[in-house]
Amino acid sequence: GAGVSQTPSNKVTEKGKYVELRCDPISGHTALYWYRQSLGQGPEFLIYFQGTGAADDSGLPNDRFFAVRPEGSVSTLKIQRTERGDSAVYLCASSLLPVGELFFGEGSRLTVL
Amino acid sequence: RKEVEQDPGPFNVPEGATVAFNCTYSNSASQSFFWYRQDCRKEPKLLMSVYSSGNEDGRFTAQLNRASQYISLLIRDSKLSDSATYLCVVNMRGSQGNLIFGKGTKLSVKP
Repeated sequence: GAGVSQTPSNKVTEKGKYVELRCDPISGHTALYWYRQSLGQGPEFLIYFQGTGAADDSGLPNDRFFAVRPEGSVSTLKIQRTERGDSAVYLCASSLLPVGELFFGEGSRLTVL
Repeated sequence: RKEVEQDPGPFNVPEGATVAFNCTYSNSASQSFFWYRQDCRKEPKLLMSVYSSGNEDGRFTAQLNRASQYISLLIRDSKLSDSATYLCVVNMRGSQGNLIFGKGTKLSVKP
């Protein structure tokens, strides 16, 4: 389909491991967002890209989290030395405009054992 | 004060009822406001944007009160299919893309 695609849909890993989550936005959408959502909570802002650059990374919780979008399309969220508290659904969204409608992917559910 | 606050509910209402949700935000410089809907175990989807003059879409009405820094969502003639979590979204920090979600208000419409 033409929607936002996220892979993997589910990832189980062990504490201390490295994880990459991928997001393929809607074609032509220049704005891309990463959120994470825990059960019973709203999506928590992590980072926002406008084109290739991270326009706002103020939501990244610490330096274990890093995201890239090298060609202004696909983005990868990278988590180093995972902790149990990183377990959540990681949502990616894209938008045609910086403050336009966000189109979300179905999310990547990360479980850290 | 949290950046975006919502009453988590749940709001349990009968079909046909009118229900209203409020959401308060902390940044008086915020310019963009939205309501999103999220069904259980699904991704959020835009319900409606909130404009300064208020706006209506069928049974849904959104209002903005800048002086008191809150937005509201009114749902008239509730349907079973309206059962979902309603998320308030506000841009923060003067950054257009810093879109902050509230925790959401859960609505359950009963027959």
